[in-house]
Amino acid sequence: KNQVEQSPQSLIILEGKNCTLQCNYTVSPFSNLRWYKQDTGRGPVSLTIMTFSENTKSNGRYTATLDADTKQSSLHITASQLSDSASYICVVNTGFQKLVFGTGTRLLVSP
Amino acid sequence: SQTIHQWPATLVQPVGSPLSLECTVEGTSNPNLYWYRQAAGRGLQLLFYSVGIGQISSEVPQNLSASRPQDRQFILSSKKLLLSDSGFYLCAWTRTATIYNEQFFGPGTRLTVL
Repeated sequence: KNQVEQSPQSLIILEGKNCTLQCNYTVSPFSNLRWYKQDTGRGPVSLTIMTFSENTKSNGRYTATLDADTKQSSLHITASQLSDSASYICVVNTGFQKLVFGTGTRLLVSP
Repeated sequence: SQTIHQWPATLVQPVGSPLSLECTVEGTSNPNLYWYRQAAGRGLQLLFYSVGIGQISSEVPQNLSASRPQDRQFILSSKKLLLSDSGFYLCAWTRTATIYNEQFFGPGTRLTVL
């Protein structure tokens, strides 16, 4: 069964600190993996995308990694800001039209 | 640039009442369109997707239906709402024939069924 599991479910960090969110997937076939940020009450917005051959991808203070052998991905947030408070969703694309969504990690950045 | 609109933003409906949520996309043509539901504390669940006018694929059997009367309009409906239909409904679009399949999401509709 295609699954995407994220950990932790929720996380509280102090403003300015770094954090890392995890995503483990059992999805086949694999086309690409994308991290989305979803602010409360809003639609998700794409942060990064990685294909099978990419190990890391950065978008400002967000850096995603992918280990296709172990089927793991992480999202590292550097020097967190209050605006980083959101849910972060890992999504694996198996191919055309088929996406498998994780349940997300809810991040709260505290002042 | 492309934009996606959803309305209403919030909706409170009694059990057994009908439902109609609308989604429109601007600035692109022939998009693939999707309806998702996000229950509290849960991940996104794909409900329907459409690759063209009048073409609807259902992912989950339920009392909801979808229609695509125009190229950039996608409607989610129900004849009789259930309590379990409460949730956050998101419409999304993608470009056709793309392997990267980036979903562009609308602002969502918060539906509460009482």
